[in-house]
Amino acid sequence: DQQVKQNSPSLSVQEGRISILNCDYTNSMFDYFLWYKKYPAEGPTFLISISSIKDKNEDGRFTVFLNKSAKHLSLHIVPSQPGDSAVYFCAASARGGSEKLVFGKGTKLTVNP
Amino acid sequence: DAGVIQSPRHEVTEMGQEVTLRCKPISGHNSLFWYRQTMMRGLELLIYFNNNVPIDDSGMPEDRFSAKMPNASFSTLKIQPSEPRDSAVYFCASSLYPSGGPSSYEQYFGPGTRLTVT
Repeated sequence: DQQVKQNSPSLSVQEGRISILNCDYTNSMFDYFLWYKKYPAEGPTFLISISSIKDKNEDGRFTVFLNKSAKHLSLHIVPSQPGDSAVYFCAASARGGSEKLVFGKGTKLTVNP
Repeated sequence: DAGVIQSPRHEVTEMGQEVTLRCKPISGHNSLFWYRQTMMRGLELLIYFNNNVPIDDSGMPEDRFSAKMPNASFSTLKIQPSEPRDSAVYFCASSLYPSGGPSSYEQYFGPGTRLTVT
């Protein structure tokens, strides 16, 4: 039973355009969400996060939106660059002393020059 | 900072053999995590430690898997005996928790060990 779902295994966009990666979750106890980026042959690296008390968090070209009622979050990359080509993982966590992150299966983003 | 160090980077072994994966977390971090990544199941948590104590091992697939953290700077994940279905990339990650803020949830991953069991 997947608690964090990334329904698009892959996404292809043109350089300079917007990339939108989506993530859905089922566990209403999740209140902290993260996006990780992974290049081939490397471990995932933290990209951006958002707490459930917010509905938007922005960091440079990256913005994460959270819709709690829909249990949905999205990562927007504007403008997209070829170096953004990677696998993006959505992860969720519940507070209460737990460090346990639950990851989605990832979306492979390809940004074409 | 050297980041999380994992060894070996690649391991090829025959079914039935014992496999030991090693991890050195970032100095000062007090939580350590072992993950497995496969095409079918994605990135799944196997076990995590806090202050060298195993907190949650519910993700360990079966008794063939065991993990230890004898001190704050070293952890092992052992598979004995190994099976072809154990073939995957195994990641170790560390974090500082609790730090009092949301950054405590940011985990720093090693480069992974690609295990192939034939």
